[in-house]
Amino acid sequence: DGGITQSPKYLFRKEGQNVTLSCEQNLNHDAMYWYRQDPGQGLRLIYYSQIVNDFQKGDIAEGYSVSREKKESFPLTVTSAQKNPTAFYLCASTPNRDYEKLFFGSGTQLSVL
Amino acid sequence: EDQVTQSPEALRLQEGESSSLNCSYTVSGLRGLFWYRQDPGKGPEFLFTLYSAGEEKEKERLKATLTKKESFLHITAPKPEDSATYLCAVRSNRDDKIIFGKGTRLHILP
Repeated sequence: DGGITQSPKYLFRKEGQNVTLSCEQNLNHDAMYWYRQDPGQGLRLIYYSQIVNDFQKGDIAEGYSVSREKKESFPLTVTSAQKNPTAFYLCASTPNRDYEKLFFGSGTQLSVL
Repeated sequence: EDQVTQSPEALRLQEGESSSLNCSYTVSGLRGLFWYRQDPGKGPEFLFTLYSAGEEKEKERLKATLTKKESFLHITAPKPEDSATYLCAVRSNRDDKIIFGKGTRLHILP
């Protein structure tokens, strides 16, 4: 079955630690996105990538980093510079930049110990 | 600045009690307005895309409508399984970003 796989489902971060959230898709989509969702808040865009080896900052990129070395993979690193990382992180993809419907993964809940 | 506001924040209905959710938006050139459903601890699931004022889309007990300033998601004779958070989002002609509202938490009581 085609889809987007996010792992792990739950992740805990210690103070000063960097953690990486995985996002893999087998839909052959060009564009991939990372969103952050806080309780009672809308989804906020962290980073997006329209093509391999290229990505752009979203609205809340500070304290995060990404890479897009392969079409199917778009990992997100939450660095120690992100002082309030506790949130639900969602990865999404679309076939290309002109396709509006987002396909979402099942999310990763990140908490600080 | 592009903005999406959803109301109410939460809504509790009895099974079979029809109602509407509102999504007000300001955007510099609407490219598309989207409705998603999100269950707790899951990723959002796409429901509808609306492109121009006057357009309507239906799926089972849900109907989405669009005007130049807002969209409504009408729920007819809802069932408990319709309980979820419903998210509205817009995309402008200006850039590639999709902006989401905070959502409406809908709870249908049996």
